[in-house]
Amino acid sequence: QKEVEQDPGPLSVPEGAIVSLNCTYSNSAFQYFMWYRQYSRKGPELLMYTYSSGNKEDGRFTAQVDKSSKYISLFIRDSQPSDSATYLCAMSDYGGYQKVTFGTGTKLQVIP
Amino acid sequence: DSGVTQTPKHLITATGQRVTLRCSPRSGDLSVYWYQQSLDQGLQFLIQYYNGEERAKGNILERFSAQQFPDLHSELNLSSLELGDSALYFCASSVSSGREDTGELFFGEGSRLTVL
Repeated sequence: QKEVEQDPGPLSVPEGAIVSLNCTYSNSAFQYFMWYRQYSRKGPELLMYTYSSGNKEDGRFTAQVDKSSKYISLFIRDSQPSDSATYLCAMSDYGGYQKVTFGTGTKLQVIP
Repeated sequence: DSGVTQTPKHLITATGQRVTLRCSPRSGDLSVYWYQQSLDQGLQFLIQYYNGEERAKGNILERFSAQQFPDLHSELNLSSLELGDSALYFCASSVSSGREDTGELFFGEGSRLTVL
């Protein structure tokens, strides 16, 4: 079993929809949680970074962490075609990036 | 544009060969990280260098090696290549050494390696 599980999709939604992306994990030591966005033929770029449990909002994006369930989510409101990309969850047991474990990514397509 | 430059963008080679991937970090970033991305394994951390010194090792094979030079650019050397080494290899950089909760990883666009 992988430490981080993420549904690969693809997930297709109409423009304007609310998108929910999720990851589960097994390592209870994880306390830093990140979401990266990766466009085709590009490197990943950091979207959201949260510590421990709770919610964090940034514009149309909301990240949620439920450590008791070992479950994290990324919500995208009013989705746009430009949001079409692969979304990777990532997590680490401390702030050091060298110990970051990535999910395999969920491919999202927002249809105009 | 993240500011991280990787060359070459594409590389096709044969089994048993050796290749070198190059990475120039963002100006001012001292840490360089190498990741391997394949369809079934996702992003796998290989190795980190900070200011010329190896700082952390991940799932890097013994056939692979890396170094960071005084000008902070880094090279990843892959030898005795096998079909399974075909993947995207990403370089990322950050200001921090990776131990503190600051900073952000900036990824290059990757080098796509195909081993035939």
